[in-house]
Amino acid sequence: KNEVEQSPQNLTAQEGEFITINCSYSVGISALHWLQQHPGGGIVSLFMLSSGKKKHGRLIATINIQEKHSSLHITASHPRDSAVYICAVRTSGTYKYIFGTGTRLKVLA
Amino acid sequence: NAGVTQTPKFQVLKTGQSMTLQCAQDMNHNSMYWYRQDPGMGLRLIYYSASEGTTDKGEVPNGYNVSRLNKREFSLRLESAAPSQTSVYFCAVRSLNQPQHFGDGTRLSIL
Repeated sequence: KNEVEQSPQNLTAQEGEFITINCSYSVGISALHWLQQHPGGGIVSLFMLSSGKKKHGRLIATINIQEKHSSLHITASHPRDSAVYICAVRTSGTYKYIFGTGTRLKVLA
Repeated sequence: NAGVTQTPKFQVLKTGQSMTLQCAQDMNHNSMYWYRQDPGMGLRLIYYSASEGTTDKGEVPNGYNVSRLNKREFSLRLESAAPSQTSVYFCAVRSLNQPQHFGDGTRLSIL
């Protein structure tokens, strides 16, 4: 079992839909990150969380430390949101990150 | 990503050849990382450098060497390339309590 699990692996949505991507982890962490990777492109950090909730534009990220779970929400989705979304955790007391395998999102116009 | 520059962007090698992937940053971050990304798998850490002059092995270090030349540069060397090293390689940098910043990646094919 992977230490960082994401669901779903693939997601297709219609433009305007509300999207949720989930991340569960089984290790102690000091921070959780949500990353975005466009096809053929580099990787961009969206959020870094250690507790609670953060919002940036149409993106919202939440984390529940007790349940070892985080969600990334996209409101009013748009085709330009089509990308792979990656959850990563920095393990407690280390420099190391563990990455999920990503959720491939496609938003149709 | 102007802050982290990786060269080359693409490379094709033959089995047994050697090459060095370069990573340079202008963000003044202490920590630098090399990852590989393979289909169906999460990013995996090859080597890490906490600061100039220090390096540590990550999850998949076999077949690779690294050099932290100075604070700006962190290179990854394949001494004798193997087809199993075909991958996309990413360099990342980070400072304390900050997110990682990634380069655009190097797509490496080994025939």
